[in-house]
Amino acid sequence: DTEVTQTPKHLVMGMTNKKSLKCEQHMGHRAMYWYKQKAKKPPELMFVYSYEKLSINESVPSRFSPECPNSSLLNLHLHALQPEDSALYLCASSQDSGPGAQYFGPGTRLLVL
Amino acid sequence: QKEVEQDPGPLSVPEGAIVSLNCTYSNSAFQYFMWYRQYSRKGPELLMYTYSSGNKEDGRFTAQVDKSSKYISLFIRDSQPSDSATYLCAMSQGTSGSRLTFGEGTQLTVNP
Repeated sequence: DTEVTQTPKHLVMGMTNKKSLKCEQHMGHRAMYWYKQKAKKPPELMFVYSYEKLSINESVPSRFSPECPNSSLLNLHLHALQPEDSALYLCASSQDSGPGAQYFGPGTRLLVL
Repeated sequence: QKEVEQDPGPLSVPEGAIVSLNCTYSNSAFQYFMWYRQYSRKGPELLMYTYSSGNKEDGRFTAQVDKSSKYISLFIRDSQPSDSATYLCAMSQGTSGSRLTFGEGTQLTVNP
């Protein structure tokens, strides 16, 4: 089973709202990732968690706050977003060894009004 | 200059054609190479990954890596309308937990 699940599928929020995106995998993977993808562009890496510790932060604005409660779950907390943050947010995971091929979830389509 | 170059297309072929998708890269530190398929408004789906130079086959798909030329390819045999999607090449320097560097993606349409 190579499934990564994400909720919600769609999210509309105002600039003053606080919301969270959730990601879950049960493949025993120990690395998890958040990406942002704009239309007709490749995914852009935001954060990497390795063994539940934040290992890469790609200088993402503080209005995005990641959290890894355990090895299967990854959250992305959103606060005071801007309209330009509207995008598809993708979660991915990979094994803790080997080539590190990343398995992506279906994404959350976010619209900020 | 981008680290990974991929022809964005769009590429349109008739059903049954052999499709060739290509990426070139400049960073010789890349060791792991992947191809993803992404349907409209969906997450990328891992198709193939490989480490060494040479060919890797999976059904109608063949991935080819030439590290000496810094060139990777994905071949799709007997293409089907269901193959219509955007194909992304991706590569990384290290193992799990490393960042992937993506190409821009090639949009493929297979016409019935």
